[in-house]
Parts: sequence; C-alpha cells; structure tokens
Amino acid sequence: QVQLQESGPGLVKPSETLSLTCTVSGGSISSYYWSWIRQPPGKGLEWIGYMYYSGNTNHNPSLKSRLSTSVDTSKNQVSLKLNSVTAADTAVYYCARGGLELDNWGQGTLVTVSS
Amino acid sequence: EIVLTQSPDTLSLSPGERATLSCRASQSVSSSYLAWYQQKPGQAPRLLIYGASSRATGIPDRFSGSVSGTDFTLIISRLEPEDFAVYYCQQYGSSPRTFGQGTKVEIK
Repeated sequence: QVQLQESGPGLVKPSETLSLTCTVSGGSISSYYWSWIRQPPGKGLEWIGYMYYSGNTNHNPSLKSRLSTSVDTSKNQVSLKLNSVTAADTAVYYCARGGLELDNWGQGTLVTVSS
Repeated sequence: EIVLTQSPDTLSLSPGERATLSCRASQSVSSSYLAWYQQKPGQAPRLLIYGASSRATGIPDRFSGSVSGTDFTLIISRLEPEDFAVYYCQQYGSSPRTFGQGTKVEIK
C-alpha cells in the first residue's frame, strides 16, 4: 500500500520561499507521475503541477514563474518550491500519485503565509 | 483553460435517496478524461471515478459516472451516511488540469 506524507514548515513569511517535501513509502517513485494540489482554507482545489522522475514536468501557468519541482529517487521524495509567497498562497498542500487521475493522496500539510 | 462548473452548489438529501451531481465543461474534454473525488472534512480527496465512468479501486457500485458531450454526471444511487461530503470533478485531458468548485451533499 503506497503512502504519501507531506512535510515542511507550517509558517512562511511573505516574499520568502515555501518548500515542501512528499515522501513516498511502499512503492517506487520511479514508476509514476506525482502531482501537487493545494486548497486554501474553506475553498476548492487548485492543481499546481506534476512531475516525473525523468525530469518531465507540467506546471500551472498561474504559478509557473514562481514554481520549481523535483524528484529525488534515492530518497523516494518529490519536492516543491514556491518563491515570493503572499497570503494568497496560504493553503493545505497535497501531494498525490498520478499525472492524470490522482489515485492516492497524502494527508496534506497546512502552510500559512504570514509575518 | 477548461472551466468546470458544478451544480448544484449544495444538495440536501436524506439517507437512502439518490444524488445526481453535475459537472459541465466549458469545452470538450479530451478522451473523457474526467475524474470525480470525494472529500470529507479534514481529509484529503479520494478518487471515486476516472475516465468519466470507471470506478476506482474499492469504490462501491452505488457510485456511477456518465458523460454526454461536455456534461458529466456523478450518481450516488442510494446515499449512505458516509457519503455526505463534498464532491469535486477534475479534468485531466488538457493543461492546466482544472477542478470544479465542488458540490456539497448534506443531510436534509
């Protein structure tokens, strides 16, 4: 049973960089695409992007200039970095398996952008 | 970008009733690449339906999906207490992937 666990700082200051890691256990990270999705408190879901271990990525154009993602196969982890954050980036951030339908999700981690 | 509009925003029903949720796409969704997710408070979304009509692993057969043109439908044939939640549709036929705004199914 594949499990995903997001981790990272729960509080980030405005204009700084939000960094999150998703650790995958119970399966190889090399066999699938991996996605990031976020959900502002009380609101709907927003697709951030997906990545493959080979380096292939597809990012939401609305975030593209601030976003970078990577895969570390040695640690079975995927990572997300979002720079120049504002309060609008406050959300629960989820990682999920898949580049099409998302069939396995982490529990999510709340990131608050505040000084 | 494909915009997905879900209706209604809220559906008030009793256990045992049939729920019909709609998701309308602003343009054609390639290969019927549309999924439905269920989200309960404090939990991550769970995949219910993919490819517009295929049930994900472990999903009961009271959940079904269909498509007609750009109109996608999720039907819950008989609501169980655990089905009261928010439901989202998502298209993955083109980028950027997009989600609908969600339909809340609440207990009447």
